[in-house]
Amino acid sequence: DVKVTQSSRYLVKRTGEKVFLECVQDMDHENMFWYRQDPGLGLRLIYFSYDVKMKEKGDIPEGYSVSREKKERFSLILESASTNQTSMYLCASSFPRGNNSPLHFGNGTRLTVT
Amino acid sequence: GEDVEQSLFLSVREGDSSVINCTYTDSSSTYLYWYKQEPGAGLQLLTYIFSNMDMKQDQRLTVLLNKKDKHLSLRIADTQTGDSAIYFCAERPGDSGYSTLTFGKGTMLLVSP
Repeated sequence: DVKVTQSSRYLVKRTGEKVFLECVQDMDHENMFWYRQDPGLGLRLIYFSYDVKMKEKGDIPEGYSVSREKKERFSLILESASTNQTSMYLCASSFPRGNNSPLHFGNGTRLTVT
Repeated sequence: GEDVEQSLFLSVREGDSSVINCTYTDSSSTYLYWYKQEPGAGLQLLTYIFSNMDMKQDQRLTVLLNKKDKHLSLRIADTQTGDSAIYFCAERPGDSGYSTLTFGKGTMLLVSP
């Protein structure tokens, strides 16, 4: 079974702090994704990566950056956390397009910014 | 752009069938997926259907696809209280170069005893 592990289930940070959310997958997937989930808004794609050191902006990249130094690890960085970034963050991974390649999700990190 | 719509809420009694509906706009979608999210957890892949199929059955789950109307449904037979969760419909748009999926906002299924 695919395992996508997010390093923290719950995080509480202060406004202005730099925040790192870490995600590791064990299936040698090329693609990795970061979403945020908010009530009434569903899942919104922040960034994704299709290879090491490659990244693409999703629908809401403002206020976020990402890092993919190794194939199995994809980090989401909040350079200066703000209260409107309080949310559930979901990491996912998949094989490249061309196959039936569903996204496999981690259990999420619930981030609160005070 | 792509859009996936779902009703927000469904309530059923234990033992009844549940039907969760979804509409999408991209006629070139290749695969369509159903995910389940239990409280406080991530999304779990339930099932999927390829766009050249019109039905897929997997134990208690039946997926129906009407490609002409761009309508997808998930039927859960003999619904149990453990099926209470949020269900997301997702499509792979035909022009998605990097395997991104477009998700609906999710349908909350509440199963009462």
